[in-house]
Amino acid sequence: EVQLVESGGGLVQPGRSLRLSCNASGFPFGDYAMRWFRQAPGKGLEWVAFIRDKLYGATTEYAASVQGRFTISRDDSKSIAYLDMNSLKTEDTAVYFCTRERNTFGYLSLDLWGQGTLVTVSS
Amino acid sequence: DIQLTQSPSSLSAFVGDRVTITCRASQSVASYLNWYQHKPGKAPRLLIYAASTLESGVPSRFSGSGSETEFTLTISGLQAEDFATYYCQQSYSFPTFGGGTKVDVK
Repeated sequence: EVQLVESGGGLVQPGRSLRLSCNASGFPFGDYAMRWFRQAPGKGLEWVAFIRDKLYGATTEYAASVQGRFTISRDDSKSIAYLDMNSLKTEDTAVYFCTRERNTFGYLSLDLWGQGTLVTVSS
Repeated sequence: DIQLTQSPSSLSAFVGDRVTITCRASQSVASYLNWYQHKPGKAPRLLIYAASTLESGVPSRFSGSGSETEFTLTISGLQAEDFATYYCQQSYSFPTFGGGTKVDVK
């Protein structure tokens, strides 16, 4: 089955770290760029981080709100994308979604999503 | 950042109704506009990409139109399984989403 499954969420204190994992199955993971998004309670969807596939050097980009604190990476041999979150703040509390990005004749879309994992930052 | 404004933010409808949701961009995004359906606790689902192309496996009652700054998602003949929140998203620059439109039963 083609799917993405996130894990690693939970309750963490401000200033601490957490690693999220996104396990992919049913498709050639290494051929796709991956993104993380988040949705804070009662808020909209916000892009967090992006990693290209290895053909494009697995280069990364980040939203300004997480730049310098979060790191996205990938292990193509295990079909897993990671999001390492450091120096967590209460405003990082959200459901975090992993997505696959598809390029169809130059049009980018997020054609596969996980169900999300909840991260709660609180003392 | 490119801002996307959806309207309405919520609507109530009967099964069988025709439903129209609008998404306006703060600047032109050409046809780099996608629509998603999201149900609580589930993974969001891509419905429409490139403004008007139906994603494989999505029922034909869903359609998208528009270009530049104004876009529309139409559900022709709302079904029970269509009650959900719908989001537009632009891929012209780093991705941003509209605020969502919650469709519930009247």
